[in-house]
Amino acid sequence: DIQMTQSPSSLSASVGDRVTITCRASQSISSYLNWYQQKPGKAPKLLIYAASSLQSGVPSRFSGSGSGTDFTLTISSLQPEDFATYYCQQSYSTLLFTFGPGTKVDIK
Amino acid sequence: QVQLQESGPGLVKPSQTLSLTCTVSGGSISSGSYYWSWIRQPAGKGLEWIGRIYTSGSTNYNPSLKSRVTISVDTSKNQFSLKLSSVTAADTAVYYCARVSGKYGSGNYYYYMDVWGKGTTVTVSS
Repeated sequence: DIQMTQSPSSLSASVGDRVTITCRASQSISSYLNWYQQKPGKAPKLLIYAASSLQSGVPSRFSGSGSGTDFTLTISSLQPEDFATYYCQQSYSTLLFTFGPGTKVDIK
Repeated sequence: QVQLQESGPGLVKPSQTLSLTCTVSGGSISSGSYYWSWIRQPAGKGLEWIGRIYTSGSTNYNPSLKSRVTISVDTSKNQFSLKLSSVTAADTAVYYCARVSGKYGSGNYYYYMDVWGKGTTVTVSS
């Protein structure tokens, strides 16, 4: 199985801050990496697919980068509605999708 | 715009079978090259992929659950379903259904879950 890790597990930030979340895969997954945002009591929402492609309707302050084993989700200027938990997910292994443990972004 | 809605009992007794249905609206479950998936999330914890089905009926399951899971599709009702047998308290979670889409890029085909249901809470307790 491909294991996914994320760092940090949580962070505190202020509105307007630049925020970076890292995701690492236990083996190379090329660019088969997706990012989701989840708010309390809500379903996850797709932000980024294929490591760097912005899902339709997602604000351009969200961006993704990386390939191989190391990936990054960046929020260029944190907005109040961005306080949430963020998950990475690999789709390299089409027989077993796996998620990272999540990174909670809260208000400083 | 495609929407998904989970339904099923919110309470299941230990050792029994959990059964959930996901109804697809706003589009046909058979149109396009989509997979249909189940994911669960215990309270306060992360996301666990359970498995997926194509409208042809082909399935893939998480090996950790494979012996207890069955996912099926009913195209006439525009629904797909999850059955999880021999449940224990560890199966208590919010269960989500999701559409798995794909897109070609740089010579590869990338899968992602782009439409999700709102989730339904299932508690396993006597």
